Amino acid sequence: SQELEQSPQSLIVQEGKNLTINCTSSKTLYGLYWYKQKYGEGLIFLMMLQKGGEEKSHEKITAKLDEKKQQSSLHITASQPSHAGIYLCGADGRGTGTASKLTFGTGTRLQVTL
Amino acid sequence: DVKVTQSSRYLVKRTGEKVFLECVQDMDHENMFWYRQDPGLGLRLIYFSYDVKMKEKGDIPEGYSVSREKKERFSLILESASTNQTSMYLCASASLRDVNEKLFFGSGTQLSVL
Repeated sequence: SQELEQSPQSLIVQEGKNLTINCTSSKTLYGLYWYKQKYGEGLIFLMMLQKGGEEKSHEKITAKLDEKKQQSSLHITASQPSHAGIYLCGADGRGTGTASKLTFGTGTRLQVTL
Repeated sequence: DVKVTQSSRYLVKRTGEKVFLECVQDMDHENMFWYRQDPGLGLRLIYFSYDVKMKEKGDIPEGYSVSREKKERFSLILESASTNQTSMYLCASASLRDVNEKLFFGSGTQLSVL
């Protein structure tokens, strides 16, 4: 079965600083999803990557999928308190081409200090 | 906006009780999912359903059952609750018409079994 390892497990950054979260898969990624979870709440979809070398951005968040499709990174530029939460990567490792059976990483907990 | 509603945010039950967790979505999504989230283990798929009365086991179905009598409602049942079922339960839905088929999550139910 596919395993996703996220690093770091937790992160504390000062407001305005940049940060990067990594998601590494034990198998080829056919689809990689990034979600954000506010503490004690459900997950909110951020971005989805499918092609090797693909990069997507939304506001100050950029996600990349490497050429070999086994690692993704999430980069936040000029962090703000609103970025605080848990970031999870989810992967379609079965090659179904759908989100029907995603495997999730254990998450990266981000705190942004003033 | 898609809304996935879980009936309770917090629930406290006793060992051996039968527990029902309800989830309703309002976007006519075909697929619905139940996950549990535990510290250090991330999200794990319990069951999912791709149509009314259709269900498929996820990674950790033991001790759980599900019911989908109507398209908008997906129920998770703990036949005889045990303390190791204390967890955050997250319901999600997805549409086959969405090219990314991203998951939409409810706010979660924190279940404590005493």
